[in-house]
Amino acid sequence: DTEVTQTPKHLVMGMTNKKSLKCEQHMGHRAMYWYKQKAKKPPELMFVYSYEKLSINESVPSRFSPECPNSSLLNLHLHALQPEDSALYLCASSQDEDFRTQYFGPGTRLLVL
Amino acid sequence: KQEVTQIPAALSVPEGENLVLNCSFTDSAIYNLQWFRQDPGKGLTSLLLIQSSQREQTSGRLNASLDKSSGRSTLYIAASQPGDSATYLCAAHNTGKLIFGQGTTLQVKP
Repeated sequence: DTEVTQTPKHLVMGMTNKKSLKCEQHMGHRAMYWYKQKAKKPPELMFVYSYEKLSINESVPSRFSPECPNSSLLNLHLHALQPEDSALYLCASSQDEDFRTQYFGPGTRLLVL
Repeated sequence: KQEVTQIPAALSVPEGENLVLNCSFTDSAIYNLQWFRQDPGKGLTSLLLIQSSQREQTSGRLNASLDKSSGRSTLYIAASQPGDSATYLCAAHNTGKLIFGQGTTLQVKP
């Protein structure tokens, strides 16, 4: 099973709302990633968790707050977002952070009004 | 800083044709290079990963090559089918991050 699941599939939120994106994998992977992808652009790395600890933060604004409650689950908490944050948010996982194949989820399409 | 470039940006071919997608990278100190496929509005599907010590990898009709010294990778698709229509992304893996190219959007016409 090489599946990474993400919920919700679609999300519409206002600039004052608080919402969360969820990502789950049951492959025993110990590295998990959040990417942001704008239309017709490649994915851009946001955060990397390795063994449930944040190892990379690509200078992401604090209105995005990641959380890794356990080795299978990764959340992205959203608060006071801007319309330019509208994008496809992709989660990925790999066996570990050491340059292994990354497996991506289907993404959450976020629209900020 | 690693930069990854994919040429062409878009490609349209008739069904059955063999084709090559190109990927170049500026920093040859990569650990591996990964090719992905992305359908519109969907996530990424990993196609092939080539370790820096390898020259090529094959999976079905797909063959990916890697030449670190010249900073190039190619994805060869044999006997293309309409179902191969998608955006193909290459990503260089170094310093713990995947750096993606802009992608090549492939259309295979029946």
